[in-house]
Amino acid sequence: DAGVIQSPRHEVTEMGQEVTLRCKPISGHDYLFWYRQTMMRGLELLIYFNNNVPIDDSGMPEDRFSAKMPNASFSTLKIQPSEPRDSAVYFCASSLATGVRTFGSGTRLTVV
Amino acid sequence: GIQVEQSPPDLILQEGANSTLRCNFSDSVNNLQWFHQNPWGQLINLFYIPSGTKQNGRLSATTVATERYSLLYISSSQTTDSGVYFCAVDPGGADGLTFGKGTHLIIQP
Repeated sequence: DAGVIQSPRHEVTEMGQEVTLRCKPISGHDYLFWYRQTMMRGLELLIYFNNNVPIDDSGMPEDRFSAKMPNASFSTLKIQPSEPRDSAVYFCASSLATGVRTFGSGTRLTVV
Repeated sequence: GIQVEQSPPDLILQEGANSTLRCNFSDSVNNLQWFHQNPWGQLINLFYIPSGTKQNGRLSATTVATERYSLLYISSSQTTDSGVYFCAVDPGGADGLTFGKGTHLIIQP
């Protein structure tokens, strides 16, 4: 299996622009998680899905952030409009039920 | 929410040394994982260990669920062991993981 695949690996964008991060979970996994890592806050959960349905989005910072999972093999995290404080590494992870969470390589986002 | 505390925050060792990293958590858990974040930023799962003991080569882990702590042992350290080690827990078993702040390990040649 190729693991959890995230794209792009790096993204540099200007403040105010829309940013879309993408994730392909491991085939057969029914849970998908989005995390953000910053120096100040560490690794924090943003949102997670079960069978493509959002279960808990209480970690989403504000309305500028949105996430979708249109099918079992694809999810997006969108930031519109982006701000410099959104600069972070965004990780996607997937798991089969309550099992091991496997993480992607992350997307390093820089908003200038 | 659940609290996760890791110690020590930083650790510098010579190659060949052994180390023990600790993770304390404030509530019962159904999932506990240890991760290694390498210098390239990748989060690599080391152990899925909500209870009991596991070993994988030079690494082993023990979780004492009743006392709410887990230990990660690294023996005969190598420079490639450098990085940040995270403990992460999930009380419910099917929710998101809550991460500790990590232990930053540096192995010097």
